[in-house]
Amino acid sequence: GESVGLHLPTLSVQEGDNSIINCAYSNSASDYFIWYKQESGKGPQFIIDIRSNMDKRQGQRVTVLLNKTVKHLSLQIAATQPGDSAVYFCAENAPPGRRALTFGSGTRLQVQP
Amino acid sequence: EAGVAQSPRYKIIEKRQSVAFWCNPISGHATLYWYQQILGQGPKLLIQFQNNGVVDDSQLPKDRFSAERLKGVDSTLKIQPAKLEDSAVYLCASSSSGYNEQFFGPGTRLTVL
Repeated sequence: GESVGLHLPTLSVQEGDNSIINCAYSNSASDYFIWYKQESGKGPQFIIDIRSNMDKRQGQRVTVLLNKTVKHLSLQIAATQPGDSAVYFCAENAPPGRRALTFGSGTRLQVQP
Repeated sequence: EAGVAQSPRYKIIEKRQSVAFWCNPISGHATLYWYQQILGQGPKLLIQFQNNGVVDDSQLPKDRFSAERLKGVDSTLKIQPAKLEDSAVYLCASSSSGYNEQFFGPGTRLTVL
C-alpha cells in the first residue's frame, strides 16, 4: 500500500533496542492524550492513552510520559520489533465537550532487523 | 467485535465530479467522526456526530463537503464538486460517549485527477 507519510521525521532503530518517540502538543487545556500507530494502507490503531492527572502510564512494552509543564509527550517502546515499524501519531483532546482529536504530524519508526 | 467499516477503499475521480463515502461504525457507538488525512500529515477532523446530530463541523468546507448520519448509525460523506486538493485518505472513527478511545476504519483513499 501507499506510504502514510513520505516526508515525516524518521527514527531508525535496531531490532531489540528501545525506541523513544517525542511529541509536542499545542493546547495547554488538553487533558487527554493518545498515541496511535498507523501502518501503510490502514487506519490509526490505538496504542496507549493518558489523562492529564497522570505523568506516566505503562502498557505492554509501551510507556507514555506526559510533561504538562513543557507540553511534551513521549512514547517509549521496549525491545522494538520489526512489526513496530509504522508511523506514530500523538493526539490530544481538550475540554469542554470536544471529543474529536487533534493529531500531531507523526514520526516514522523504522526497525532494522 | 467488528470494527469500523468503510467503503469504497479506493476511488479515483476527475476534478469537478462528485463522490460519496460510506461508514458503518462499531455497533452501539454514539459518536462518529470523519477525518481527512493528506499524505504526510496527521488526520484532521472534518465533522463529528453525536447520534444523528452534528457536534462539530467547524472545519468542514461546507461549500463542497456534506455529511449526514440520518438514523444515528451509518454515515455518508459527500464531496461535490471535487478539487485536486481533496486528494487524501478519508477516515471514519467511532467511540462510545465521553472520554473514550476512538476506533478508526481503514479509510477511503481518494485521488482527484
